[in-house]
Amino acid sequence: AQSVTQLDSQVPVFEEAPVELRCNYSSSVSVYLFWYVQYPNQGLQLLLKYLSGSTLVKGINGFEAEFNKSQTSFHLRKPSVHISDTAEYFCAVSERKDSSYKLIFGSGTRLLVRP
Amino acid sequence: NAGVTQTPKFRVLKTGQSMTLLCAQDMNHEYMYWYRQDPGMGLRLIHYSVGEGTTAKGEVPDGYNVSRLKKQNFLLGLESAAPSQTSVYFCASSFLTTGVPSPYFGPGTRLTVT
Repeated sequence: AQSVTQLDSQVPVFEEAPVELRCNYSSSVSVYLFWYVQYPNQGLQLLLKYLSGSTLVKGINGFEAEFNKSQTSFHLRKPSVHISDTAEYFCAVSERKDSSYKLIFGSGTRLLVRP
Repeated sequence: NAGVTQTPKFRVLKTGQSMTLLCAQDMNHEYMYWYRQDPGMGLRLIHYSVGEGTTAKGEVPDGYNVSRLKKQNFLLGLESAAPSQTSVYFCASSFLTTGVPSPYFGPGTRLTVT
């Protein structure tokens, strides 16, 4: 079965600084990867996804992620964060089983942006 | 489009009581999912459905039952609630994009079992 590891439970950063949130997944022949964001007391919103093609994926709110097959990683980056980016970020991998797909989530990384 | 809606938003149950959480989507999605979210554990899949009349178990199905009698609705039932089921429950739905779904999530239901 697929698994997703987000090693950092919390990442504090100052406003306008760059940030990287790390995500590693267990190896598979075909892999589809996602990043979701959850603002306080809200549901999850899709930031970006990698299905195929270019390994650099651009998402909403200035975020991007790079798929690295050799390192089985899909790290999320933003060159300059804002206070409003404070939220919890979840990496997820799509697993296929019995002709159906389901998302397996990591434990999440809380991004805390300080002024 | 309302997207994915969940009813109720909050609920407090006593141990042993039963309840049903309702998820509705108006996007004509084939796939629907129920997740629970607990601190430090991310989201864990309870049950999912790949179409009307079909359901399947996820990672943590024990203590829950589901039904998908209509394509737009996915119900999650707790027959005898336990304190370990205190959690935030999220429903999601998706269509297939190049064979891989990209779920849309509802706002969540916060359930407390005392």
